[in-house]
Amino acid sequence: NAGVTQTPKFQVLKTGQSMTLQCAQDMNHEYMSWYRQDPGMGLRLIHYSVGAGITDQGEVPNGYNVSRSTTEDFPLRLLSAAPSQTSVYFCASRLTDLYGYTFGSGTRLTVV
Amino acid sequence: AQSVTQPDIHITVSEGASLELRCNYSYGATPYLFWYVQSPGQGLQLLLKYFSGDTLVQGIKGFEAEFKRSQSSFNLRKPSVHWSDAAEYFCAVGGTGNQFYFGTGTSLTVIP
Repeated sequence: NAGVTQTPKFQVLKTGQSMTLQCAQDMNHEYMSWYRQDPGMGLRLIHYSVGAGITDQGEVPNGYNVSRSTTEDFPLRLLSAAPSQTSVYFCASRLTDLYGYTFGSGTRLTVV
Repeated sequence: AQSVTQPDIHITVSEGASLELRCNYSYGATPYLFWYVQSPGQGLQLLLKYFSGDTLVQGIKGFEAEFKRSQSSFNLRKPSVHWSDAAEYFCAVGGTGNQFYFGTGTSLTVIP
């Protein structure tokens, strides 16, 4: 049981480039979310999904897109990378409201 | 508005000493409460959770937390800290859908 798998673990982008952060879970969880973690700011919700085909914006959605075509996968797309998007990104999933999130190991992104 | 406050940014304790990390929440309905731990360079790991019932909950690694509705608090405790407990600790409050809010974290240093 792999849990939540994120790829890549590290990435350096140039300003203006686009990329997709991959996230997959094998626990049949309905809820999936993307967070970014910045020093002193805790974890901030970017986008979330409550099931395949259903996504919505979180606290800091600008500059990011998501889609949820299957229960297992929830990729995060950076449309045009900016230095302000330098952060550690975590994907997380949970079964229902009554459960906490299971987190992936994170992607450390640097935009130069 | 829903929120989680962790008043202590950083705490230092001696190995073998007791530990209490503070968490206060603001949530309109009955909260689901969680504590997570994050070791350097790692994702978040769930320590314990509270949904209902007994207000003192036991978690992994010898941690416990007590829910006090009158004080809107969910403080994390450990009777005797080990050097391996040095990490970042996050309190979170959850609800339906995307309602899952993290505090900004408390960094724990353990002195030998």
